[in-house]
Amino acid sequence: QLVLTQSPSASASLGASVKLTCALSSGHSSDAIAWHQQQPERGPRYLMKVNSDGSHSKGDGIPDRFSGSSSGAERYLTISSLQSEDEADYYCQAWDTGIGVFGGGTKLTVL
Amino acid sequence: QVQLVQSGSELKKPGASVKVSCKASGYGFNSFGMNWVRQAPGQGLEWMGWINTNTGNPTYAQGFTGRFVFSLDTSVSTAYVQISSLKAEDTAIYYCARARWLGNLNYFDYWGQGTLVTVSS
Repeated sequence: QLVLTQSPSASASLGASVKLTCALSSGHSSDAIAWHQQQPERGPRYLMKVNSDGSHSKGDGIPDRFSGSSSGAERYLTISSLQSEDEADYYCQAWDTGIGVFGGGTKLTVL
Repeated sequence: QVQLVQSGSELKKPGASVKVSCKASGYGFNSFGMNWVRQAPGQGLEWMGWINTNTGNPTYAQGFTGRFVFSLDTSVSTAYVQISSLKAEDTAIYYCARARWLGNLNYFDYWGQGTLVTVSS
């Protein structure tokens, strides 16, 4: 059964870069995932899909500051030139034999 | 542009039922499935299941069988989730999210704004 593991929290300074990680459980290192952003008091928004080879495709209107990558069983979301509005919860999401799976989410604080 | 517009907040008593709607526009409704996701207060996202908008066949996640029913009205491009015998622990925001398939991955590329369901006596 697929489990997605995310760190509960992360922080970085305004204007800096941050890399968030989603770790896939054993046997799922070739799976693609999606990243979603949830700003405070708002609904989630799809950011991008990240494949096992690191290729990624972003949703409509997602700034170039957001990018995705992969290494082994880890999928990454990198946000560069951090802005205050990037302070949000970030969730990774995948699919396992007909079942949707979310990671626990990472709360990003912009200092 | 693609939009998913959900019905408004609901306040219900324990034991009652509620039906949340999700009206789609800007794309062919039958071309994409619809997921349902729950978010309890202060908690993360939890996948409830999805419905195939072509066949009407629903799939429910563990923990969402019995009291939860997904349905469609394709004539108005709308998906529904009905929850019966409501309990306090059903208090949550319920989201619909369009199902986009790429290979084996069903990913949620558009989300509704969410519907808050509060269960309280």
